Amino acid sequence: GAGVSQTPSNKVTEKGKYVELRCDPISGHTALYWYRQSLGQGPEFLIYFQGTGAADDSGLPNDRFFAVRPEGSVSTLKIQRTERGDSAVYLCASSASGRAAGELFFGEGSRLTVL
Amino acid sequence: AQSVTQLGSHVSVSEGALVLLRCNYSSSVPPYLFWYVQYPNQGLQLLLKYTSAATLVKGINGFEAEFKKSETSFHLTKPSAHMSDAAEYFCAVSDRDGGFKTIFGAGTRLFVKA
Repeated sequence: GAGVSQTPSNKVTEKGKYVELRCDPISGHTALYWYRQSLGQGPEFLIYFQGTGAADDSGLPNDRFFAVRPEGSVSTLKIQRTERGDSAVYLCASSASGRAAGELFFGEGSRLTVL
Repeated sequence: AQSVTQLGSHVSVSEGALVLLRCNYSSSVPPYLFWYVQYPNQGLQLLLKYTSAATLVKGINGFEAEFKKSETSFHLTKPSAHMSDAAEYFCAVSDRDGGFKTIFGAGTRLFVKA
């Protein structure tokens, strides 16, 4: 597609439920990143993929968070047993290789609200 | 570990005045440095990028930033602010030697007064 697409744009769930957030990156971009942004804060790094593998998952806050990118394109961020503190905007970004490496193209985010 | 500090969570300037947004970084390896902008109700977009080619980097919309290794700074400037520049600006650092894990600062919100 033309840009990074994230679905859903808004998700309201109850504490303890399971949530999946999907990211469809720019076609041909090899790197994919997940960030979390709370109100008034900068994006907080969660995980990034090079191809199908997680190159760095050091930002995942705990084992309730998991992300996959099975075919090197679409990625899903999975959150188990959601807590109120998980409420935030979850941002996905993708990046090309070569001279444009490191330049992140962001989606508009998935706003998660845990009641 | 890399980190970014943005001095001033809010900056207010008059239209036509100089814009200066401050960023200091910490990195144990030569970094890539970025400025991103987030307009209201929009996603983040890249303003400019430093990759070691030239210390003064020009970006979109008249913005530029200067890499100063001795000061570990990468401040963003624009000679003359426009009302449309009102947005949140984020400085970011990436470890190019270890992949491109990118760490963002907390952001500076720019207000432009008429």
